Amino acid sequence: NAGVTQTPKFQVLKTGQSMTLQCAQDMNHEYMSWYRQDPGMGLRLIHYSVGAGITDQGEVPNGYNVSRSTTEDFPLRLLSAAPSQTSVYFCASSPHLEGTQYFGPGTRLTVL
Amino acid sequence: GENVEQHPSTLSVQEGDSAVIKCTYSDSASNYFPWYKQELGKRPQLIIDIRSNVGEKKDQRIAVTLNKTAKHFSLHITETQPEDSAVYFCALTPMNSGYSTLTFGKGTMLLVSP
Repeated sequence: NAGVTQTPKFQVLKTGQSMTLQCAQDMNHEYMSWYRQDPGMGLRLIHYSVGAGITDQGEVPNGYNVSRSTTEDFPLRLLSAAPSQTSVYFCASSPHLEGTQYFGPGTRLTVL
Repeated sequence: GENVEQHPSTLSVQEGDSAVIKCTYSDSASNYFPWYKQELGKRPQLIIDIRSNVGEKKDQRIAVTLNKTAKHFSLHITETQPEDSAVYFCALTPMNSGYSTLTFGKGTMLLVSP
């Protein structure tokens, strides 16, 4: 199993551009989440999904959209990038409620 | 939402010493409390976890204790080694996401000097 994969690893955007961060898992996990990590802030939840077709907002959802059309994929869309979205983004998946979360390798995004 | 306070933010110890990191929380409904280790430039990796029906759990040099009444849980690392140097995060599963996500503390940077 590849586990949780994320692409790209690095990305530089200009303010106002849009892009999609890809996340996929091959473990047939129902639960998937997106977090952003900023210095001194820990990891904060952006959006999450409890199964295909079901998504919900986390702590910091503004400026981001998600969809979950399949169990495997959970892309994160930046609608109009802003410098405040410069961060490291981690996708995670879990097989159970209150279960171990498996993290992807992360995407480092810089918005100029 | 759920708040998790983690202390200290930085911790420096000599090789062979013990290190203790503590987290407090407010939501009494949380039942799962994992600890993650993150090395520079890497993803968070689970090192140990505990559930609310257990007070203590050990795995070699690492142990976690949970006091649900007082709403705090702690990570204990004994006989620290330089390779233990990393950022450690406590977390819990909040009720407001149906226990499907994690709320993290802000992290503790542990530096183990040889």
